[in-house]
Amino acid sequence: KQEVTQIPAALSVPEGENLVLNCSFTDSAIYNLQWFRQDPGKGLTSLLLIQSSQREQTSGRLNASLDKSSGRSTLYIAASQPGDSATYLCAVAPGSARQLTFGSGTQLTVLP
Amino acid sequence: NAGVTQTPKFRILKIGQSMTLQCTQDMNHNYMYWYRQDPGMGLKLIYYSVGAGITDKGEVPNGYNVSRSTTEDFPLRLELAAPSQTSVYFCASASEGRQPQHFGDGTRLSIL
Repeated sequence: KQEVTQIPAALSVPEGENLVLNCSFTDSAIYNLQWFRQDPGKGLTSLLLIQSSQREQTSGRLNASLDKSSGRSTLYIAASQPGDSATYLCAVAPGSARQLTFGSGTQLTVLP
Repeated sequence: NAGVTQTPKFRILKIGQSMTLQCTQDMNHNYMYWYRQDPGMGLKLIYYSVGAGITDKGEVPNGYNVSRSTTEDFPLRLELAAPSQTSVYFCASASEGRQPQHFGDGTRLSIL
């Protein structure tokens, strides 16, 4: 059974810092991996999707990497801003891609 | 710009009552999903559907039922509410299983 872990559970950084969020998964037979953002009281917003054949994806100040062989993904946020404060979740899709397995998230606080 | 719409946003139920959580999407997506999210946890899949008339169980289906009579709607029914079903429920949709999922804002359900 696929398990997805995100460490740390919470992270607080000063504005302007570059930071890395981590995601690890136990079964490397994935189809893709997605990073989501969740604001308090809201649903999830998809940030980046990396196919299993890709090594990374970039969108603005966000860069996500994928290393299937080691079962790891990272989300890099450059020049963090208070508006980046949210919970970030990663989710992996198996080969059948019918069900996502989610991590429990990292709650990020960017201090002004 | 409706996307995925969930109603109600909040609800309090007594043990043993029943209710239906509504979900509708206007993106003509074939795939729809119901998740629950408990505090500090990731999302767990309850049921999903790959098209009208087709539904399948996810990781935690017990105590719930779904139907998919149209492409747009995917209601989730609780027949005999139990305290363990207190959670935040999210509906999501996708054009197909390997594409990013679009989420509603959730229904916060308390069972007392």
